[in-house]
Amino acid sequence: ILNVEQSPQSLHVQEGDSTNFTCSFPSSNFYALHWYRWETAKSPEALFVMTLNGDEKKKGRISATLNTKEGYSYLYIKGSQPEDSATYLCAYINAGNMLTFGGGTRLMVKP
Amino acid sequence: NAGVTQTPKFRILKIGQSMTLQCAQDMNHNYMYWYRQDPGMGLKLIYYSVGAGITDKGEVPNGYNVSRSTTEDFPLRLELAAPSQTSVYFCASSDREPGANVLTFGAGSRLTVL
Repeated sequence: ILNVEQSPQSLHVQEGDSTNFTCSFPSSNFYALHWYRWETAKSPEALFVMTLNGDEKKKGRISATLNTKEGYSYLYIKGSQPEDSATYLCAYINAGNMLTFGGGTRLMVKP
Repeated sequence: NAGVTQTPKFRILKIGQSMTLQCAQDMNHNYMYWYRQDPGMGLKLIYYSVGAGITDKGEVPNGYNVSRSTTEDFPLRLELAAPSQTSVYFCASSDREPGANVLTFGAGSRLTVL
């Protein structure tokens, strides 16, 4: 069982605030990292696939960075909107193609 | 384009009953997965399959069985349901091994065992 930790577990922000959260994973044997967005009563949807140390990906107001040497990825949301409210999951994939999800960060954006 | 379809969406079982959660994908994906989601615990892998005729255990396989007779279908069977199996179950698929290939999820099946 691989240790993939996400922090914080939950986060309340005001509309317009920028926010970020962390996914920590084993730095050895890294292959890829996924970020998923999971709205309540829906299924998780892929946001980013990250494979190289130093990768930065962006989709609209959401961006992510990757540091494989120290074993972490940050997800940033600029100018949060109520529709950004969701659980954000990271998934670590090792060189053996084993995928392990973190526990998620639940984001709530108040209008 | 249906993607990953799960049925039923909701089910209540009595302790000791059996049932099958159905999962079908129309994307010709080789890899399929069953996860359960417990509150505050994220997604735990129950079983997975890398192709028709091949299945393997994940992190929490006890109390479940799977089969993969076709590329499209990956049913999950619960034998002798127990309250500990109350959860939301997600089926997912990917074209090839995870890595550059993200998972496509079904809408989930909420199961309650009383």
